[in-house]
Amino acid sequence: AQRVTQPEKLLSVFKGAPVELKCNYSYSGSPELFWYVQYSRQRLQLLLRHISRESIKGFTADLNKGETSFHLKKPFAQEEDSAMYYCALRNRDDKIIFGKGTRLHILP
Amino acid sequence: GAGVSQTPSNKVTEKGKYVELRCDPISGHTALYWYRQSLGQGPEFLIYFQGTGAADDSGLPNDRFFAVRPEGSVSTLKIQRTERGDSAVYLCASSVTGRTSGSTDTQYFGPGTRLTVL
Repeated sequence: AQRVTQPEKLLSVFKGAPVELKCNYSYSGSPELFWYVQYSRQRLQLLLRHISRESIKGFTADLNKGETSFHLKKPFAQEEDSAMYYCALRNRDDKIIFGKGTRLHILP
Repeated sequence: GAGVSQTPSNKVTEKGKYVELRCDPISGHTALYWYRQSLGQGPEFLIYFQGTGAADDSGLPNDRFFAVRPEGSVSTLKIQRTERGDSAVYLCASSVTGRTSGSTDTQYFGPGTRLTVL
């Protein structure tokens, strides 16, 4: 089965503390993995994708094929990081499968 | 430039009624996608258009759901005989080329239409 699991519905982190949003996937093959973000009252937007190996807004995510994980990390949380985060994979049929999302709440 | 737009932003209807949801993709984008997002869930794929044709409608839950894109731009998602379980946010996304070989096209999402079936 092709599945994306985000085990945390809500994650609360103090400003300045490190952030890690967990994502595990189930897929037989080499998927393309993404993180999408939705800020309050804004539309869903792409944050980063694993093939780009980029850092966006201080966030990075490394694909770990052995652990089938793609956790999103940021060393120092900022208040503007508060948002809903969705991990997603694109399968060989080019369908994007989303996780249920994690709400990140940055405490002042 | 203008992003993906969706109308209406909210739609309240009664069980059994017919509804149409509209999506205006980014100008020049050939690929268009519809997703449904139920409360507490991530978006779920419904249908994908490449130009005017529905290239993949495998996500449509049943034959009450239908979508068209007659001129390869605006798309309409149509739901017949609505049920309470159809209540969700319906998202539209577009991308430049869609599912071409080796494509890593970014999908740009609209703000969604919140459908409530009473």
